[in-house]
Amino acid sequence: DGGITQSPKYLFRKEGQNVTLSCEQNLNHDAMYWYRQDPGQGLRLIYYSQIVNDFQKGDIAEGYSVSREKKESFPLTVTSAQKNPTAFYLCASSMQNQGARQPQHFGDGTRLSIL
Amino acid sequence: KQEVTQIPAALSVPEGENLVLNCSFTDSAIYNLQWFRQDPGKGLTSLLLIQSSQREQTSGRLNASLDKSSGRSTLYIAASQPGDSATYLCAVPNTDKLIFGTGTRLQVFP
Repeated sequence: DGGITQSPKYLFRKEGQNVTLSCEQNLNHDAMYWYRQDPGQGLRLIYYSQIVNDFQKGDIAEGYSVSREKKESFPLTVTSAQKNPTAFYLCASSMQNQGARQPQHFGDGTRLSIL
Repeated sequence: KQEVTQIPAALSVPEGENLVLNCSFTDSAIYNLQWFRQDPGKGLTSLLLIQSSQREQTSGRLNASLDKSSGRSTLYIAASQPGDSATYLCAVPNTDKLIFGTGTRLQVFP
Protein backbone atom coordinates (compact mmCIF):
# COMPACT_ATOMS: atom_id res chain seq x y z
CA ASP A 1 0.00 0.00 0.00
CA GLY A 2 1.28 3.47 -0.86
CA GLY A 3 1.52 6.01 1.89
CA ILE A 4 3.55 8.29 4.12
CA THR A 5 5.45 6.94 7.10
CA GLN A 6 6.54 9.20 9.93
CA SER A 7 8.83 8.06 12.70
CA PRO A 8 9.09 8.00 15.58
CA LYS A 9 5.52 8.42 16.81
CA TYR A 10 6.74 10.05 20.04
CA LEU A 11 10.01 11.93 20.57
CA PHE A 12 11.53 13.66 23.55
CA ARG A 13 14.12 16.40 23.34
CA LYS A 14 16.54 17.55 25.98
CA GLU A 15 17.65 21.16 26.31
CA GLY A 16 20.26 22.10 23.71
CA GLN A 17 19.66 18.97 21.67
CA ASN A 18 18.87 18.67 17.98
CA VAL A 19 16.39 15.99 16.99
CA THR A 20 15.41 14.67 13.58
CA LEU A 21 11.94 13.57 12.51
CA SER A 22 11.72 11.11 9.67
CA CYS A 23 9.24 11.23 6.78
CA GLU A 24 9.23 8.67 3.97
CA GLN A 25 6.71 8.33 1.13
CA ASN A 26 6.26 5.65 -1.53
CA LEU A 27 3.62 7.52 -3.52
CA ASN A 28 6.16 8.77 -6.08
CA HIS A 29 5.17 12.33 -5.20
CA ASP A 30 7.41 15.23 -6.13
CA ALA A 31 6.28 17.65 -3.42
CA MET A 32 6.63 17.16 0.33
CA TYR A 33 5.70 19.35 3.29
CA TRP A 34 6.21 19.72 7.03
CA TYR A 35 3.50 21.22 9.22
CA ARG A 36 3.34 22.02 12.90
CA GLN A 37 0.06 21.66 14.82
CA ASP A 38 -0.52 23.27 18.21
CA PRO A 39 -3.70 22.90 20.31
CA GLY A 40 -6.39 25.34 19.21
CA GLN A 41 -4.42 26.45 16.16
CA GLY A 42 -4.55 25.43 12.56
CA LEU A 43 -1.66 23.68 10.86
CA ARG A 44 1.25 25.96 10.04
CA LEU A 45 3.75 25.27 7.26
CA ILE A 46 7.39 24.91 8.33
CA TYR A 47 9.15 23.91 5.08
CA TYR A 48 8.22 22.43 1.75
CA SER A 49 10.05 20.88 -1.15
CA GLN A 50 8.87 20.75 -4.74
CA ILE A 51 11.71 18.62 -6.06
CA VAL A 52 14.83 16.78 -4.94
CA ASN A 53 17.64 19.03 -3.68
CA ASP A 54 15.33 22.02 -3.40
CA PHE A 55 13.21 23.33 -0.53
CA GLN A 56 11.58 26.57 0.60
CA LYS A 57 10.76 28.10 3.96
CA GLY A 58 7.20 28.20 5.11
CA ASP A 59 5.65 30.52 7.67
CA ILE A 60 7.54 29.29 10.75
CA ALA A 61 10.92 27.98 9.52
CA GLU A 62 13.05 29.54 12.28
CA GLY A 63 14.70 26.88 14.42
CA TYR A 64 14.10 24.11 11.88
CA SER A 65 16.09 22.65 9.00
CA VAL A 66 15.33 20.12 6.26
CA SER A 67 17.03 18.22 3.47
CA ARG A 68 15.72 16.53 0.34
CA GLU A 69 18.41 14.23 -0.98
CA LYS A 70 15.99 11.58 -2.18
CA LYS A 71 12.54 11.87 -3.66
CA GLU A 72 11.10 9.54 -1.03
CA SER A 73 12.55 11.24 2.03
CA PHE A 74 12.15 14.66 3.65
CA PRO A 75 13.59 14.67 7.19
CA LEU A 76 12.99 17.60 9.55
CA THR A 77 15.55 18.62 12.16
CA VAL A 78 14.34 20.58 15.16
CA THR A 79 17.37 22.50 16.35
CA SER A 80 18.17 23.87 19.79
CA ALA A 81 17.34 27.32 18.38
CA GLN A 82 13.65 26.34 18.37
CA LYS A 83 12.68 27.46 21.85
CA ASN A 84 9.16 26.08 21.88
CA PRO A 85 9.33 22.78 19.98
CA THR A 86 6.56 20.94 21.84
CA ALA A 87 3.94 20.22 19.18
CA PHE A 88 2.51 17.63 16.82
CA TYR A 89 4.45 17.49 13.54
CA LEU A 90 2.81 16.33 10.33
CA CYS A 91 4.44 15.45 7.05
CA ALA A 92 2.50 15.53 3.79
CA SER A 93 3.09 14.97 0.10
CA SER A 94 1.41 15.76 -3.20
CA MET A 95 2.07 14.81 -6.80
CA GLN A 96 3.33 18.31 -7.48
CA ASN A 97 3.00 21.59 -5.66
CA GLN A 98 1.32 23.75 -8.35
CA GLY A 99 0.51 26.44 -5.85
CA ALA A 100 -0.65 23.84 -3.30
CA ARG A 101 -3.59 23.00 -5.58
CA GLN A 102 -2.83 19.30 -5.70
CA PRO A 103 -4.42 17.12 -2.98
CA GLN A 104 -2.09 16.57 -0.07
CA HIS A 105 -1.75 13.23 1.72
CA PHE A 106 -0.63 13.11 5.33
CA GLY A 107 1.34 10.82 7.60
CA ASP A 108 0.28 9.93 11.14
CA GLY A 109 2.46 12.53 12.79
CA THR A 110 5.21 12.73 15.40
CA ARG A 111 4.54 14.19 18.83
CA LEU A 112 7.59 16.02 20.16
CA SER A 113 7.92 16.92 23.82
CA ILE A 114 10.57 18.58 25.95
CA LEU A 115 12.20 16.65 28.78
CA LYS B 1 -4.27 37.81 3.33
CA GLN B 2 -6.35 34.64 3.18
CA GLU B 3 -7.88 33.59 6.48
CA VAL B 4 -9.97 30.49 7.08
CA THR B 5 -12.47 30.21 9.92
CA GLN B 6 -14.48 27.25 11.12
CA ILE B 7 -17.55 27.54 13.30
CA PRO B 8 -18.48 26.00 15.64
CA ALA B 9 -15.22 24.97 17.30
CA ALA B 10 -16.95 21.98 18.88
CA LEU B 11 -20.20 20.14 18.34
CA SER B 12 -21.85 17.30 20.22
CA VAL B 13 -24.86 15.54 18.72
CA PRO B 14 -26.82 12.31 19.22
CA GLU B 15 -26.40 9.51 16.75
CA GLY B 16 -28.60 9.74 13.66
CA GLU B 17 -28.67 13.50 13.32
CA ASN B 18 -27.87 15.26 10.07
CA LEU B 19 -25.37 18.01 10.68
CA VAL B 20 -23.57 20.85 8.94
CA LEU B 21 -20.03 22.06 9.52
CA ASN B 22 -19.08 25.51 8.29
CA CYS B 23 -15.91 26.89 6.73
CA SER B 24 -15.42 30.54 5.78
CA PHE B 25 -12.59 32.14 3.84
CA THR B 26 -11.84 35.82 3.32
CA ASP B 27 -10.45 35.78 -0.24
CA SER B 28 -12.95 34.30 -2.66
CA ALA B 29 -10.34 33.78 -5.41
CA ILE B 30 -9.66 30.17 -4.44
CA TYR B 31 -8.71 27.35 -6.78
CA ASN B 32 -10.23 24.60 -4.66
CA LEU B 33 -11.15 23.71 -1.08
CA GLN B 34 -10.29 20.52 0.73
CA TRP B 35 -12.02 18.95 3.72
CA PHE B 36 -10.03 16.68 6.06
CA ARG B 37 -10.79 14.47 9.02
CA GLN B 38 -8.37 14.11 11.92
CA ASP B 39 -8.73 11.44 14.59
CA PRO B 40 -7.04 12.09 17.98
CA GLY B 41 -3.29 11.72 17.75
CA LYS B 42 -3.43 10.93 14.05
CA GLY B 43 -2.70 12.62 10.76
CA LEU B 44 -5.22 14.11 8.36
CA THR B 45 -7.36 12.04 6.04
CA SER B 46 -8.66 13.77 2.94
CA LEU B 47 -12.45 13.54 2.68
CA LEU B 48 -13.42 15.74 -0.25
CA LEU B 49 -11.76 18.20 -2.60
CA ILE B 50 -14.12 20.59 -4.32
CA GLN B 51 -12.88 22.60 -7.28
CA SER B 52 -13.77 26.28 -7.64
CA SER B 53 -15.90 25.45 -10.69
CA GLN B 54 -17.98 22.96 -8.70
CA ARG B 55 -20.81 23.71 -6.33
CA GLU B 56 -20.99 20.29 -4.68
CA GLN B 57 -18.99 17.14 -4.15
CA THR B 58 -20.33 13.96 -2.59
CA SER B 59 -18.78 10.88 -1.03
CA GLY B 60 -21.09 8.45 0.73
CA ARG B 61 -22.83 10.25 3.61
CA LEU B 62 -20.69 13.36 3.10
CA ASN B 63 -21.59 16.29 0.89
CA ALA B 64 -19.47 19.40 0.54
CA SER B 65 -20.79 22.57 -1.03
CA LEU B 66 -18.91 25.65 -2.12
CA ASP B 67 -20.13 29.21 -2.57
CA LYS B 68 -17.13 31.24 -3.65
CA SER B 69 -18.97 34.54 -3.87
CA SER B 70 -19.94 34.40 -0.21
CA GLY B 71 -16.65 32.82 0.89
CA ARG B 72 -18.26 29.76 2.39
CA SER B 73 -18.16 26.00 2.25
CA THR B 74 -20.27 23.55 4.21
CA LEU B 75 -19.73 19.89 4.97
CA TYR B 76 -22.98 18.03 5.41
CA ILE B 77 -22.90 14.70 7.26
CA ALA B 78 -26.03 12.61 6.92
CA ALA B 79 -27.23 10.17 9.58
CA SER B 80 -24.26 10.75 11.87
CA GLN B 81 -22.64 7.78 13.63
CA PRO B 82 -20.32 7.53 16.66
CA GLY B 83 -17.54 6.61 14.22
CA ASP B 84 -17.84 10.09 12.71
CA SER B 85 -16.42 11.57 15.94
CA ALA B 86 -13.26 13.44 14.96
CA THR B 87 -11.98 16.91 14.15
CA TYR B 88 -12.89 18.20 10.72
CA LEU B 89 -10.65 20.75 9.01
CA CYS B 90 -11.00 22.71 5.82
CA ALA B 91 -8.12 24.20 3.83
CA VAL B 92 -7.61 26.37 0.75
CA PRO B 93 -4.45 26.75 -1.35
CA ASN B 94 -2.63 30.06 -1.28
CA THR B 95 0.77 30.64 -2.92
CA ASP B 96 2.36 27.20 -2.58
CA LYS B 97 0.77 26.40 0.78
CA LEU B 98 -2.51 25.33 2.27
CA ILE B 99 -4.25 27.69 4.68
CA PHE B 100 -6.10 25.67 7.31
CA GLY B 101 -9.00 26.50 9.56
CA THR B 102 -8.71 25.59 13.23
CA GLY B 103 -11.23 22.80 12.85
CA THR B 104 -14.56 21.66 14.30
CA ARG B 105 -14.33 18.92 16.92
CA LEU B 106 -17.34 16.65 16.47
CA GLN B 107 -18.61 14.15 19.00
CA VAL B 108 -21.48 11.85 18.08
CA PHE B 109 -22.86 9.98 21.07
CA PRO B 110 -24.98 6.80 20.96
